[in-house]
Amino acid sequence: DTEVTQTPKHLVMGMTNKKSLKCEQHMGHRAMYWYKQKAKKPPELMFVYSYEKLSINESVPSRFSPECPNSSLLNLHLHALQPEDSALYLCASSQVLAGSSYNEQFFGPGTRLTVL
Amino acid sequence: EDQVTQSPEALRLQEGESSSLNCSYTVSGLRGLFWYRQDPGKGPEFLFTLYSAGEEKEKERLKATLTKKESFLHITAPKPEDSATYLCAVCSWGKLQFGAGTQVVVTP
Repeated sequence: DTEVTQTPKHLVMGMTNKKSLKCEQHMGHRAMYWYKQKAKKPPELMFVYSYEKLSINESVPSRFSPECPNSSLLNLHLHALQPEDSALYLCASSQVLAGSSYNEQFFGPGTRLTVL
Repeated sequence: EDQVTQSPEALRLQEGESSSLNCSYTVSGLRGLFWYRQDPGKGPEFLFTLYSAGEEKEKERLKATLTKKESFLHITAPKPEDSATYLCAVCSWGKLQFGAGTQVVVTP
């Protein structure tokens, strides 16, 4: 199974709402990632979890809160978002190699988020 | 500062017309160069990993090569279903840094 799944596929939320994005993988990968992608731009890294611990936070605003409940699941909690946060949110996973480097990342289909 | 530059930005090909995409990079501590294909509104699909200069990988009509400063993705006799954005990325210090991508359109 080389699949990363994400739910929901689409999400529309107001600026005062609280919502969560979910990601799941069953490849035994111990690194998981959140990316944000705007139209016609490459993915931008937001967070990296390695062995269920947050290892990289790319200075993301606190209205985005990641959570890694176990080695297969990754959540992104959203609160008080702005319209400019509208984007495709991608989850990815990879193996962790020796020396804290990472193997190729496998991406999920993404959640299309619209903030009104 | 690490940089990944892809060229051209866009490429329009006739079916069967072979071509190459370029990815040039300047990174410290390179830990792999990756090629992905992305269809509109979908997540990137992994294609290849290259780790060392001289390495080559092939899959169907695609072939990726790597030198010390750049990588090429050769598309041989493309078909319309090869239309997509092709992204290259380098892994440096635990992070993937993407180039801006090359949008490829293959017409029948």
